[in-house]
Amino acid sequence: AQKITQTQPGMFVQEKEAVTLDCTYDTSDPSYGLFWYKQPSSGEMIFLIYQGSYDQQNATEGRYSLNFQKARKSANLVISASQLGDSAMYFCAMRERRGFKTIFGAGTRLFVKA
Amino acid sequence: NAGVTQTPKFQVLKTGQSMTLQCAQDMNHEYMSWYRQDPGMGLRLIHYSVGAGITDQGEVPNGYNVSRSTTEDFPLRLLSAAPSQTSVYFCASSYAQRGSPGELFFGEGSRLTVL
Repeated sequence: AQKITQTQPGMFVQEKEAVTLDCTYDTSDPSYGLFWYKQPSSGEMIFLIYQGSYDQQNATEGRYSLNFQKARKSANLVISASQLGDSAMYFCAMRERRGFKTIFGAGTRLFVKA
Repeated sequence: NAGVTQTPKFQVLKTGQSMTLQCAQDMNHEYMSWYRQDPGMGLRLIHYSVGAGITDQGEVPNGYNVSRSTTEDFPLRLLSAAPSQTSVYFCASSYAQRGSPGELFFGEGSRLTVL
């Protein structure tokens, strides 16, 4: 069965430092996609980064990178040079190619300290 | 482009009342879905659809009905509201083609309170 686990309910990071948000997943589908979304206090959902299961390289988008370890079934989000505006909820999500449905983890609330 | 439009943004219901949350997208997305967001539980999938006439259950479908008569619209119906359905509801859509990432585009959310 499809499952996403985020074990860090809350994280603190100092401004300008890097932070890693953990995500592990489980699926029986050999083809899938992994996503990270940000939800600021205003409530909207913002797509950050995508990693395909067959992609050889880790995905990067600006200050965001995805540390994809397929054998360990982990897809951690790394945010470099944290900014105060990075304070938000972060959700890991997975879409199986078979059926296309996307499920989410419970989320991690990130607090960036000045 | 409007993207994904959800209405209403806020609604208060009494136990046992029925209502429909509307969702429309103008991006010609095949995939549409409904989630509910509760504190500490992330977004849980209620129902989803990969095209007109096709719907399927997600993780928490009980108490909710959906239909997909057009590509653009995917309404969510609560037939007999219960306090446990108090939540924030998100509609989301995406492409559903092999080779496309399929990132979700979200509506602004609908806050539902059942008394």
